[in-house]
Amino acid sequence: DVVMTQSPDSLAVSLGERATINCKSSQSLFDTAYNKNYFAWYQQKSGQPPKLLIYWASTRNSGVPDRFSGSGSGTDFTLTISSLQAEDVAVYYCQQYFGTPYTFGQGTKLELK
Amino acid sequence: QVLLVQSGAELAKPGASVRISCKASGYSFSSYGIHWVRQAPGHTLEWMGWINAGHGNTKYSQKFQGRIAITRDTSANTAYMELSSLRSEDTAVYYCARRAVTTLDFWGQGTLVSVSS
Repeated sequence: DVVMTQSPDSLAVSLGERATINCKSSQSLFDTAYNKNYFAWYQQKSGQPPKLLIYWASTRNSGVPDRFSGSGSGTDFTLTISSLQAEDVAVYYCQQYFGTPYTFGQGTKLELK
Repeated sequence: QVLLVQSGAELAKPGASVRISCKASGYSFSSYGIHWVRQAPGHTLEWMGWINAGHGNTKYSQKFQGRIAITRDTSANTAYMELSSLRSEDTAVYYCARRAVTTLDFWGQGTLVSVSS
Protein backbone atom coordinates (compact mmCIF):
# COMPACT_ATOMS: atom_id res chain seq x y z
CA ASP A 1 0.00 0.00 0.00
CA VAL A 2 1.11 3.59 -0.64
CA VAL A 3 2.03 5.31 2.62
CA MET A 4 1.16 9.00 2.91
CA THR A 5 3.07 11.01 5.50
CA GLN A 6 2.06 14.55 6.39
CA SER A 7 4.02 17.23 8.19
CA PRO A 8 3.58 18.83 10.58
CA ASP A 9 1.02 16.96 12.70
CA SER A 10 -0.27 20.28 13.97
CA LEU A 11 0.17 23.91 13.06
CA ALA A 12 -0.83 27.20 14.69
CA VAL A 13 -1.03 30.24 12.40
CA SER A 14 -2.22 33.80 12.98
CA LEU A 15 -5.15 35.26 11.06
CA GLY A 16 -4.01 36.58 7.70
CA GLU A 17 -0.75 34.63 7.76
CA ARG A 18 0.32 31.81 5.46
CA ALA A 19 -0.13 28.15 6.36
CA THR A 20 1.81 25.37 4.65
CA ILE A 21 1.21 21.64 4.96
CA ASN A 22 3.36 18.99 3.33
CA CYS A 23 2.65 15.43 2.25
CA LYS A 24 5.04 12.78 1.03
CA SER A 25 4.02 9.53 -0.64
CA SER A 26 6.00 6.30 -0.54
CA GLN A 27 5.81 5.99 -4.32
CA SER A 28 5.27 8.32 -7.25
CA LEU A 29 1.68 9.36 -7.89
CA PHE A 30 2.44 10.73 -11.36
CA ASP A 31 0.89 8.91 -14.28
CA THR A 32 2.98 9.60 -17.39
CA ALA A 33 0.22 8.38 -19.69
CA TYR A 34 -2.18 11.08 -18.51
CA ASN A 35 0.38 13.60 -17.25
CA LYS A 36 -1.44 13.83 -13.93
CA ASN A 37 -0.71 13.34 -10.25
CA TYR A 38 -3.39 11.22 -8.59
CA PHE A 39 -3.30 13.27 -5.39
CA ALA A 40 -5.86 15.25 -3.43
CA TRP A 41 -6.30 17.42 -0.33
CA TYR A 42 -9.35 17.38 1.95
CA GLN A 43 -10.51 19.63 4.76
CA GLN A 44 -12.45 18.18 7.67
CA LYS A 45 -14.12 20.37 10.26
CA SER A 46 -15.21 18.96 13.59
CA GLY A 47 -18.22 16.68 13.29
CA GLN A 48 -18.38 16.95 9.50
CA PRO A 49 -17.39 14.71 6.60
CA PRO A 50 -14.25 15.54 4.63
CA LYS A 51 -14.56 18.18 1.93
CA LEU A 52 -12.56 17.91 -1.28
CA LEU A 53 -10.35 20.98 -1.70
CA ILE A 54 -7.76 20.09 -4.34
CA TYR A 55 -7.47 17.27 -6.88
CA TRP A 56 -4.87 16.38 -9.52
CA ALA A 57 -2.47 17.92 -6.96
CA SER A 58 -3.20 21.52 -7.96
CA THR A 59 -6.78 21.90 -9.25
CA ARG A 60 -9.14 23.65 -6.84
CA ASN A 61 -12.54 22.03 -6.48
CA SER A 62 -15.58 24.09 -7.36
CA GLY A 63 -16.36 26.73 -4.72
CA VAL A 64 -13.00 26.47 -2.92
CA PRO A 65 -11.56 29.94 -2.20
CA ASP A 66 -8.47 30.88 -4.18
CA ARG A 67 -6.44 31.34 -0.99
CA PHE A 68 -6.10 27.53 -1.10
CA SER A 69 -3.50 26.21 -3.52
CA GLY A 70 -1.82 22.89 -4.14
CA SER A 71 1.56 22.17 -5.64
CA GLY A 72 4.05 19.37 -6.09
CA SER A 73 4.52 16.29 -8.22
CA GLY A 74 5.67 12.71 -7.95
CA THR A 75 6.09 12.05 -4.24
CA ASP A 76 6.14 15.51 -2.64
CA PHE A 77 3.14 17.78 -2.36
CA THR A 78 2.17 20.99 -0.55
CA LEU A 79 -1.07 22.67 0.46
CA THR A 80 -0.80 26.41 1.00
CA ILE A 81 -3.38 28.71 2.53
CA SER A 82 -2.18 32.17 1.58
CA SER A 83 -4.04 34.20 4.18
CA LEU A 84 -5.60 32.20 7.00
CA GLN A 85 -9.22 32.88 7.86
CA ALA A 86 -10.99 31.77 11.03
CA GLU A 87 -13.15 29.33 9.06
CA ASP A 88 -10.03 27.48 7.87
CA VAL A 89 -9.51 25.91 11.31
CA ALA A 90 -9.81 22.20 10.57
CA VAL A 91 -7.88 18.99 10.04
CA TYR A 92 -6.38 18.61 6.58
CA TYR A 93 -5.75 15.24 4.93
CA CYS A 94 -3.82 14.30 1.84
CA GLN A 95 -4.92 11.31 -0.23
CA GLN A 96 -3.62 9.26 -3.12
CA TYR A 97 -5.97 7.78 -5.69
CA PHE A 98 -3.30 6.34 -7.96
CA GLY A 99 -4.49 2.89 -7.04
CA THR A 100 -6.51 0.97 -4.52
CA PRO A 101 -6.48 0.89 -1.61
CA TYR A 102 -6.78 4.66 -1.57
CA THR A 103 -4.70 5.90 1.34
CA PHE A 104 -4.75 9.04 3.42
CA GLY A 105 -2.19 10.92 5.44
CA GLN A 106 -2.50 11.00 9.21
CA GLY A 107 -3.90 14.52 9.15
CA THR A 108 -2.62 17.97 10.08
CA LYS A 109 -4.55 19.94 12.67
CA LEU A 110 -4.59 23.64 11.80
CA GLU A 111 -5.35 26.06 14.64
CA LEU A 112 -5.34 29.78 15.21
CA LYS A 113 -2.37 31.29 17.01
CA GLN B 1 -27.63 19.26 -5.99
CA VAL B 2 -25.68 16.10 -5.27
CA LEU B 3 -26.65 14.53 -1.96
CA LEU B 4 -25.64 11.30 -0.26
CA VAL B 5 -27.82 10.52 2.76
CA GLN B 6 -26.77 7.68 5.03
CA SER B 7 -28.76 5.60 7.48
CA GLY B 8 -28.66 6.28 11.19
CA ALA B 9 -26.31 5.30 13.98
CA GLU B 10 -25.95 1.64 14.88
CA LEU B 11 -25.11 -0.12 18.13
CA ALA B 12 -23.93 -3.69 17.58
CA LYS B 13 -22.53 -6.51 19.66
CA PRO B 14 -19.19 -8.16 18.94
CA GLY B 15 -19.58 -10.86 16.29
CA ALA B 16 -22.68 -9.27 14.79
CA SER B 17 -23.11 -7.60 11.40
CA VAL B 18 -24.15 -4.11 10.43
CA ARG B 19 -25.57 -2.80 7.16
CA ILE B 20 -25.41 0.88 6.28
CA SER B 21 -27.28 2.48 3.39
CA CYS B 22 -26.29 5.48 1.27
CA LYS B 23 -29.06 7.05 -0.80
CA ALA B 24 -27.91 9.23 -3.68
CA SER B 25 -29.78 12.05 -5.35
CA GLY B 26 -29.08 14.92 -7.71
CA TYR B 27 -27.06 12.95 -10.27
CA SER B 28 -27.12 9.83 -12.43
CA PHE B 29 -26.44 7.12 -9.82
CA SER B 30 -25.28 4.47 -12.28
CA SER B 31 -22.65 6.75 -13.85
CA TYR B 32 -20.42 6.95 -10.78
CA GLY B 33 -18.72 4.77 -8.23
CA ILE B 34 -19.55 4.76 -4.54
CA HIS B 35 -16.68 4.31 -2.11
CA TRP B 36 -16.78 3.54 1.60
CA VAL B 37 -14.32 5.12 4.03
CA ARG B 38 -14.27 4.85 7.80
CA GLN B 39 -12.77 6.96 10.57
CA ALA B 40 -12.17 5.60 14.05
CA PRO B 41 -12.31 8.15 16.88
CA GLY B 42 -9.28 10.44 16.70
CA HIS B 43 -7.87 8.58 13.70
CA THR B 44 -7.33 9.20 10.03
CA LEU B 45 -9.52 8.07 7.14
CA GLU B 46 -9.39 4.43 6.06
CA TRP B 47 -10.58 3.27 2.64
CA MET B 48 -12.67 0.09 2.73
CA GLY B 49 -13.85 -0.59 -0.79
CA TRP B 50 -16.02 0.56 -3.67
CA ILE B 51 -18.72 -0.42 -6.12
CA ASN B 52 -19.24 0.59 -9.71
CA ALA B 53 -22.87 1.59 -9.39
CA GLY B 54 -23.51 0.87 -13.08
CA HIS B 55 -21.93 -2.59 -13.46
CA GLY B 56 -22.07 -3.63 -9.83
CA ASN B 57 -18.39 -4.64 -9.80
CA THR B 58 -16.72 -4.30 -6.43
CA LYS B 59 -13.23 -4.03 -5.02
CA TYR B 60 -12.33 -4.31 -1.36
CA SER B 61 -9.36 -3.48 0.79
CA GLN B 62 -7.41 -6.62 1.71
CA LYS B 63 -7.92 -5.64 5.34
CA PHE B 64 -11.67 -6.25 5.10
CA GLN B 65 -11.76 -9.14 2.61
CA GLY B 66 -14.17 -11.80 3.76
CA ARG B 67 -15.98 -9.44 6.16
CA ILE B 68 -17.31 -6.74 3.83
CA ALA B 69 -19.94 -6.70 1.13
CA ILE B 70 -20.86 -3.61 -0.89
CA THR B 71 -24.01 -3.79 -2.99
CA ARG B 72 -26.33 -1.40 -4.76
CA ASP B 73 -29.94 -1.08 -5.82
CA THR B 74 -30.10 1.07 -8.93
CA SER B 75 -33.90 1.31 -8.74
CA ALA B 76 -33.53 3.01 -5.35
CA ASN B 77 -30.32 4.94 -6.13
CA THR B 78 -28.88 3.39 -2.98
CA ALA B 79 -25.62 1.69 -2.10
CA TYR B 80 -25.11 -0.55 0.91
CA MET B 81 -22.13 -1.62 2.96
CA GLU B 82 -22.35 -4.63 5.23
CA LEU B 83 -19.56 -5.43 7.67
CA SER B 84 -19.67 -8.72 9.56
CA SER B 85 -17.86 -10.33 12.50
CA LEU B 86 -17.72 -6.96 14.20
CA ARG B 87 -15.16 -6.27 16.90
CA SER B 88 -14.56 -3.28 19.15
CA GLU B 89 -11.93 -1.92 16.74
CA ASP B 90 -14.68 -1.48 14.14
CA THR B 91 -16.19 1.33 16.19
CA ALA B 92 -15.99 4.27 13.81
CA VAL B 93 -17.88 6.73 11.66
CA TYR B 94 -18.51 5.18 8.26
CA TYR B 95 -18.82 7.39 5.18
CA CYS B 96 -19.96 6.76 1.65
CA ALA B 97 -18.51 9.01 -1.04
CA ARG B 98 -19.02 9.48 -4.76
CA ARG B 99 -16.07 8.89 -7.04
CA ALA B 100 -16.02 11.35 -9.89
CA VAL B 101 -13.48 11.40 -12.73
CA THR B 102 -11.24 12.99 -10.16
CA THR B 103 -11.60 11.53 -6.70
CA LEU B 104 -14.13 11.47 -3.85
CA ASP B 105 -16.05 14.66 -4.50
CA PHE B 106 -19.24 14.31 -2.45
CA TRP B 107 -19.56 12.55 0.89
CA GLY B 108 -22.43 11.33 3.01
CA GLN B 109 -22.94 12.75 6.47
CA GLY B 110 -21.46 9.68 8.13
CA THR B 111 -22.91 6.83 10.20
CA LEU B 112 -21.58 6.07 13.65
CA VAL B 113 -21.22 2.37 14.35
CA SER B 114 -20.49 1.47 17.96
CA VAL B 115 -19.47 -2.10 18.76
CA SER B 116 -19.88 -3.03 22.41
CA SER B 117 -21.11 -5.92 24.47
